Amino acid sequence: EVQLVESGGGLVLPGGSLRLSCSASGFTFSTYAMHWVRQAPGKGLEYVSVVSRDGGLTYYADSVKGRFTISRDNSKNTLYLQMSSLRAEDTAMYYCVLYSSAWRYWGQGTLVTVSS
Amino acid sequence: QSVLTQPPSVSAAPGQKVTISCSGSSSTIGNNYISWYQQLPGTAPKLLIFENNKRPSGIPDRFSGSKSDTSATLGITGLQTGDEADYYCGTWDSSLSAGVFGGGTKLTVL
Repeated sequence: EVQLVESGGGLVLPGGSLRLSCSASGFTFSTYAMHWVRQAPGKGLEYVSVVSRDGGLTYYADSVKGRFTISRDNSKNTLYLQMSSLRAEDTAMYYCVLYSSAWRYWGQGTLVTVSS
Repeated sequence: QSVLTQPPSVSAAPGQKVTISCSGSSSTIGNNYISWYQQLPGTAPKLLIFENNKRPSGIPDRFSGSKSDTSATLGITGLQTGDEADYYCGTWDSSLSAGVFGGGTKLTVL
C-alpha cells in the first residue's frame, strides 16, 4: 500500500524558513518523480514543484521560484521542500503527491501558517 | 486565476445526474490527458478519473469522464449526499512542463 506522510509544517514568521518532509513507502520511491501541491485555506489546488527520479531536474511555480527548493533522498525514501523568505500567501496545506498517469496518491498534508 | 476553468458550483437532487466542465487550451487539455479529483471536506484530494475516462479500482461507474478538444467533462449519475464535495480537474501544461489544476467546483446535492 502506497503511503505518503508529510511533516514539518507549523507556524512561522514572515520572512522565515521551514523544511517539509514526505516519507514514502509501499512503492519503489526512486523510480517516480515526486510532486508538491498546496492548497490555501478555502482555495483551490496549486501546483508547486516537481523533482525527477534522480533529483537532477526540478520545476517550480512562478509563485515560489527562487524561494523554495525541492529535493529528495532516495536512500531514505524521503522528499523535501525547503521554504525560505516565507510570505503570508504561502499559508496553505502542503501535499506530497505521487504521479502515475495522474496525481494518484496524496499524503494527508502538512499545514504551513505564515503569520506574525 | 486558474489555468483550467471550472464552474464554481453545481447542484442537483439526489438520484439525478450532474456534469462538471473543465476548459483549457491546446497546451493543456488539448494535448494531454485530463484527470479529476474529489475532495471531501477536511481531506486530501482523491483520484476519480485518469487518462480522460478511466476509473481507478474502487471508483464506482457512476463517475465518468470525457474529453473533446480543449475541454473535458466529469459526469456523476445517481447522485448521493455523500458526493457533496469539491471537484478538481488537472492536467499537464506542455508549455510549462508542469501540472495545472482547475479552480474547483463545489457540488451540492440538494
